[in-house]
Amino acid sequence: GAGVSQSPSNKVTEKGKDVELRCDPISGHTALYWYRQSLGQGLEFLIYFQGNSAPDKSGLPSDRFSAERTGGSVSTLTIQRTQQEDSAVYLCASSRGTAYNEQFFGPGTRLTVL
Amino acid sequence: QQPVQSPQAVILREGEDAVINCSSSKALYSVHWYRQKHGEAPVFLMILLKGGEQKGHDKISASFNEKKQQSSLYLTASQLSYSGTYFCGTEAPSSGTYKYIFGTGTRLKVLA
Repeated sequence: GAGVSQSPSNKVTEKGKDVELRCDPISGHTALYWYRQSLGQGLEFLIYFQGNSAPDKSGLPSDRFSAERTGGSVSTLTIQRTQQEDSAVYLCASSRGTAYNEQFFGPGTRLTVL
Repeated sequence: QQPVQSPQAVILREGEDAVINCSSSKALYSVHWYRQKHGEAPVFLMILLKGGEQKGHDKISASFNEKKQQSSLYLTASQLSYSGTYFCGTEAPSSGTYKYIFGTGTRLKVLA
């Protein structure tokens, strides 16, 4: 693909349900990032994957959030027992290597928790 | 630890200039600048790696001071297309790897 893709583009769920968000990075990009952006707010870092290295999970807001990256490519961000405060746009980005490189962002997944 | 940007918001007329600042209490490894238009994902503008570096393309340029604690983004002869929110960003070590931190953001609106 030409760019980073994310699915679904929109997700409406009920409080307490689990959701899974998917990110397909640009082919060959070893670094992958997840961010959260609440309405009108800045970009909150969630997690960073670099190749096959173990990520630092300390940026995840709570233990209801988890992320994995299979085969160094596709990544999923899972939110268990969703809460209304989880409503936000979840952005994924990828880059060629380390954080010194330009990040290419996907279009985001807009999550609404009712 | 999050870089602080100033001003928080600015309104310009087409053709006017603007400066956006990004400040940190600690030296930064590098600084990136991104622009995010309303309803869209951020788009990379440029990266500065060295203290004292200046870089630019077209009418948008940036500098990184010698101590690597402040970067400024310069927008000259602004165009309507420059409207959006500008973020600086930097990586920071975290538990044997890195995390990426964006600044507080500056909303820029260019009026005709």
